[in-house]
Amino acid sequence: GENVEQHPSTLSVQEGDSAVIKCTYSDSASNYFPWYKQELGKRPQLIIDIRSNVGEKKDQRIAVTLNKTAKHFSLHITETQPEDSAVYFCAASLGGNTGKLIFGQGTTLQVKP
Amino acid sequence: DVKVTQSSRYLVKRTGEKVFLECVQDMDHENMFWYRQDPGLGLRLIYFSYDVKMKEKGDIPEGYSVSREKKERFSLILESASTNQTSMYLCASREPGQGTETQYFGPGTRLLVL
Repeated sequence: GENVEQHPSTLSVQEGDSAVIKCTYSDSASNYFPWYKQELGKRPQLIIDIRSNVGEKKDQRIAVTLNKTAKHFSLHITETQPEDSAVYFCAASLGGNTGKLIFGQGTTLQVKP
Repeated sequence: DVKVTQSSRYLVKRTGEKVFLECVQDMDHENMFWYRQDPGLGLRLIYFSYDVKMKEKGDIPEGYSVSREKKERFSLILESASTNQTSMYLCASREPGQGTETQYFGPGTRLLVL
């Protein structure tokens, strides 16, 4: 079946440094790629998303890049802060507009003060 | 603001019990989803529903069933709970259409099966 691979599984950075999380997807029909942040004990919340007709999208300190040819997309967080500490999930839409998402395994980001 | 609620935050059940997990959304969304979340495995789709009385199996439907009698409510049923169903269960909803693929999640139900 289709899948999404996410790396690394854990990431520890110093406050102020940048963090990068990478995902690879298998479904050529995927056209929507959201990123969710889940703080400890809370629900996953959408932080940024990108569509297949765009190569890069930025929102303040976070950015997402997409390489459709290589089926890679990445989340970039600059000037990290302790409140960025959370589990981050990437996802890819399945089969065009089915509404279904396939999620990566998650990355636990720790930002040390 | 979309609000998705789940009936319980924590639940403890015995092996063999029938378990009902309820999810309610207040935004009139057509699509609803049930996932389970396990460390290192991400979120895996159990079942989803395109609309009232419509359901489709996800990636891991074994041991589960669902019910959607009303648009706002989507129930996950564990017919006979087993210890390997101990997990975090997340419900989500979405309104289909171009530009609205975002799924909104509930707070989750952490289920322990003894």
